[in-house]
Amino acid sequence: GAVVSQHPSRVICKSGTSVKIECRSLDFQATTMFWYRQFPKQSLMLMATSNEGSKATYEQGVEKDKFLINHASLTLSTLTVTSAHPEDSSFYICSAREVLLNTEAFFGQGTRLTVV
Amino acid sequence: AQSVSQHNHHVILSEAASLELGCNYSYGGTVNLFWYVQYPGQHLQLLLKYFSGDPLVKGIKGFEAEFIKSKFSFNLRKPSVQWSDTAEYFCAVRPSGTASKLTFGTGTRLQVTL
Repeated sequence: GAVVSQHPSRVICKSGTSVKIECRSLDFQATTMFWYRQFPKQSLMLMATSNEGSKATYEQGVEKDKFLINHASLTLSTLTVTSAHPEDSSFYICSAREVLLNTEAFFGQGTRLTVV
Repeated sequence: AQSVSQHNHHVILSEAASLELGCNYSYGGTVNLFWYVQYPGQHLQLLLKYFSGDPLVKGIKGFEAEFIKSKFSFNLRKPSVQWSDTAEYFCAVRPSGTASKLTFGTGTRLQVTL
């Protein structure tokens, strides 16, 4: 299947700093990318949907000024957690989909963020 | 908006036992259905999917699922589980059409004992 690469896989940052997570589709053009958050032993909660070249659509309750999403090209989307706090510690997962082909979404390996 | 319900939160089976994990969804229109698996420490992988056609879908590693439209169900089955099937299983639904978002169930943790 198609490959989605997410980087970094683990990051530890100090409270108040910002962290950027990258999501790349390696062998297809992802017109749509999704960002999820997964709490321990829970399901994936969709944070936002980003379409290449346009603003992301955030789910209810997700602060768009805190979780900045950029989808500047068909193969790269970034999630920046700004002014991180310990409660932002979580597992963040991206997925990418080629919408025009109506395929399933492919997932990155996730990023474990720990804010200390 | 669509929603997904997975009835079993934690299932423990012995090797060679048969498996069935329940998944029900709510949505009034046409849907695409998926089962994903997450092995410990790894990313989500697609087990199988249903878009249209034969409601009995076969996936990787001997898994299959049956879409029963009248019951809004998409249960996952495997006749004989292996220890290596220990993982978290997620059912997901997406309204058919472009740019629709995927909604996940809460997941079922499967533990297979030797």
